[in-house]
Amino acid sequence: DIQMTQSPSSLSASVGDTVTITCRASQGIANYLAWFQQKPGKAPESLVYAASSLQSGVPSKFSGGGSGTDFTLTISSLQPEDYATYYCQQYNSYPLTFGGGTKVEIK
Amino acid sequence: ELQLVESGGGLVQPGGSLRLSCAASGFTFSDHYMDWVRQAPGKGLEWVGRTRNKPNSYTTEYAASVRGRFTISRDDSTNSLYLQMNSLKTEDTAVYFCARSTRYYDNSAALWFFDLWGRGTLVTVSS
Repeated sequence: DIQMTQSPSSLSASVGDTVTITCRASQGIANYLAWFQQKPGKAPESLVYAASSLQSGVPSKFSGGGSGTDFTLTISSLQPEDYATYYCQQYNSYPLTFGGGTKVEIK
Repeated sequence: ELQLVESGGGLVQPGGSLRLSCAASGFTFSDHYMDWVRQAPGKGLEWVGRTRNKPNSYTTEYAASVRGRFTISRDDSTNSLYLQMNSLKTEDTAVYFCARSTRYYDNSAALWFFDLWGRGTLVTVSS
């Protein structure tokens, strides 16, 4: 199975900050990586697929990058609605696997 | 409106069975792969399994933790997805989400990614 490791597991940032979350795969997955946002008690929402392609309707403040084993999700100009937990997920091979999540909190 | 609505969750004893449903609306259900993903209380997301669409023979894939106990099926005539859960264990306690997977092409290879999620239904396995 491909293990997905996110870092940090949590971070505190102020409104207006830019933050970057890292996701590392235990083996190469090309660019078959997605990112999701989840707020407490809610369903996940899809942000990015193919490592860097934004889902329809997702604002350009979110940007993804990387290929192979190392990936990033950058959120620019943090707003109150961006405080949530973010997950990466690989779809290179079965079983599909998620990272452990990164909780973005208000400083 | 694009929508996935899960139902069927509840309290069940260890060793028991439960069948979850997911009703889809607002899109052509038969075009998509469909998945179940779960989230134990206070934990991260765990993929449960997938059903492919008719052109791909409705074949299924499962996580090792549920293989042989859970069965995913679909009914394209009613836009419904199902998860039959047998021999339930306490560690199966979670919110179960259904998720739509949509196809895109990368160098002529077809790939599928989650792009729509339901709100989830809670399954509690406890005596």
